[in-house]
Amino acid sequence: DIQMTQSPSSLSASVGDRVTITCRASQGISNNLAWFQQKPGKVPKLLIYATSTLQSGVPSRFSGSGSGTDFTLTISSLQPEDVATYYCQKYNSAPLKFGQGTKVEIK
Amino acid sequence: QVQLVESGGGVVQPGGSLRLSCAASGFTFSSYGMHWVRQAPGKGLEWVAFIRYDGSNKYYADSVKGRFTISRDNSKNTLYLQMNSLRAEDTAVFYCAKDPPPYSGSWGLYDYWGQGTLVTVSS
Repeated sequence: DIQMTQSPSSLSASVGDRVTITCRASQGISNNLAWFQQKPGKVPKLLIYATSTLQSGVPSRFSGSGSGTDFTLTISSLQPEDVATYYCQKYNSAPLKFGQGTKVEIK
Repeated sequence: QVQLVESGGGVVQPGGSLRLSCAASGFTFSSYGMHWVRQAPGKGLEWVAFIRYDGSNKYYADSVKGRFTISRDNSKNTLYLQMNSLRAEDTAVFYCAKDPPPYSGSWGLYDYWGQGTLVTVSS
């Protein structure tokens, strides 16, 4: 099975900072990579799919990049409402797998 | 608007059984695959199972294979998860999630989630 590994597991940054989260697949997954945001006590929300396509309504400060095994989620200017745990997920092949999550906090 | 409402969670002893339900509305339920995804308290997300729109194919995570059964009743717009031989490590919030349209090339890219139902396995 393909494993998904995120780093870091948590980070603390200031409002306005550029934040980068990395996701690595143990084997190539083409561009079948999504990012979800889960705010405390809430249901996960799809942010990005196909590595870099922004879901409708998601602020443009979020972006995704990568291919094959290495992927990145970037928040260009961190906002207080971005406090959440972010998960990468590989899709289009079983078993579906999530990364272990990256908790983003405001410094 | 799409609505997914889970029910059936609760406290069960190790080795026990529980059946979860997910009532769907706001879309043509019989045209979409459906998933169960779980999240242990304070932990990450784990895909559990999938059923094709017509029930003809089912897939399971290794951690639940042989113990859990996913099913659906398209006449009732309802998804089910029968959970047997429950273990403490099955304690989690269970979400049902809707798949994108079949043949969209995005299997497992959940576009709608329910609010979840908590299952606690404890003696």
